[in-house]
Amino acid sequence: DAKTTQPNSMESNEEEPVHLPCNHSTISGTDYIHWYRQLPSQGPEYVIHGLTSNVNNRMASLAIAEDRKSSTLILHRATLRDAAVYYCILRDSMEYGNKLVFGAGTILRVKS
Amino acid sequence: ETGVTQSPTHLIKTRGQQVTLRCSSQSGHNTVSWYQQALGQGPQFIFQYYREEENGRGNFPPRFSGLQFPNYSSELNVNALELDDSALYLCASSLVINPRSSGNTIYFGEGSWLTVV
Repeated sequence: DAKTTQPNSMESNEEEPVHLPCNHSTISGTDYIHWYRQLPSQGPEYVIHGLTSNVNNRMASLAIAEDRKSSTLILHRATLRDAAVYYCILRDSMEYGNKLVFGAGTILRVKS
Repeated sequence: ETGVTQSPTHLIKTRGQQVTLRCSSQSGHNTVSWYQQALGQGPQFIFQYYREEENGRGNFPPRFSGLQFPNYSSELNVNALELDDSALYLCASSLVINPRSSGNTIYFGEGSWLTVV
């Protein structure tokens, strides 16, 4: 499985943008980049995913480097509810359609 | 609200016993996976079922087994419980149209906390 590298933790002020980086230098050409987050005492929650182009949805934006060896999850205005563990995951394009390989993730703390 | 519900939310078992955890997926989701999450760690993939057949397994022994039913529900069974089996068990479901594509969105339940004493 391709690996990702994320900072252990980050801190942000409420109402400010947050940029969560992820390195994935061994990504293959058909791997999707997925982001999930896990709030305390809850299951992981899908945030966003992309292949090559930058992606936006109501929760966040995903900026993917041109060489695809890194990406950044952008929360445009952090709120206290965004405090969670954020996981950057590469999805193997193999016959398993539902497998996720979680790393340690980034603990995001949001200060009021 | 992901539409994936799990039961029970918490349970305590004794070492050596057997446990069955249950999951109800979103209607129409043909793929279900189970994950184990130890305290302070990320979830670890146990196995997945696609159209009621197991088609992927992580590094877990055979005493971890499962079933997927036509009504979008599934079970995780663990035999001969060990203390290290104490963890949060997560069910995840999705609609997989192309099993060779990894672009589908996966929806998780809130998990079942298992404590083995």
